[in-house]
Amino acid sequence: ETGVTQTPRHLVMGMTNKKSLKCEQHLGHNAMYWYKQSAKKPLELMFVYNFKEQTENNSVPSRFSPECPNSSHLFLHLHTLQPEDSALYLCASLPAGAPPGELFFGEGSRLTVL
Amino acid sequence: AQTVTQSQPEMSVQEAETVTLSCTYDTSESDYYLFWYKQPPSRQMILVIRQEAYKQQNATENRFSVNFQKAAKSFSLKISDSQLGDAAMYFCAYRSAGGNAGGTSYGKLTFGQGTILTVHP
Repeated sequence: ETGVTQTPRHLVMGMTNKKSLKCEQHLGHNAMYWYKQSAKKPLELMFVYNFKEQTENNSVPSRFSPECPNSSHLFLHLHTLQPEDSALYLCASLPAGAPPGELFFGEGSRLTVL
Repeated sequence: AQTVTQSQPEMSVQEAETVTLSCTYDTSESDYYLFWYKQPPSRQMILVIRQEAYKQQNATENRFSVNFQKAAKSFSLKISDSQLGDAAMYFCAYRSAGGNAGGTSYGKLTFGQGTILTVHP
């Protein structure tokens, strides 16, 4: 158990739906990340947040919209997705002062786009 | 840009035996970090072991050890005395050195495609 919680664990949506993924950590970590895990592909970094401020958008399509209202919560808002967006979306956090790579991952939200 | 390649999509091992997972990477940098992460089925991904490129000594963590060959850009993971709980997908990852200590860049990793490890009783 890493202390990072993601909901929902599974989500099925149509291409015209609007849904949101939620990530929560009460570990006091200041940095939070969204990674995308597609089958047979490397994990892809999507967004990086530091103390609620977005510090990186890794050329992610605008149909993915992140939100970080406070340092404990991170959302990924989804709208007009494509079937190729089906993947496992992982949230991770990093403690201040941690060694490089010491990420705390959630279990992920498995997204299926029909 | 850096790339990480895991050429073994799947591996299997008998319980109590040893298995080695392969990873190669491509970089023009001289200082960096390498990692192995473990992702058990339907469970959170966790860091298994970390290697700093400037350290010649191979990292070890209990039954897990690495063979770091900097010139060959190779970073393999050896699991000794394999246990059923070792069954998972294993990811090799890379991170450039530099960045503010503890800053967000410390979480920006380049991952390989993963290797699924099956442990047979």
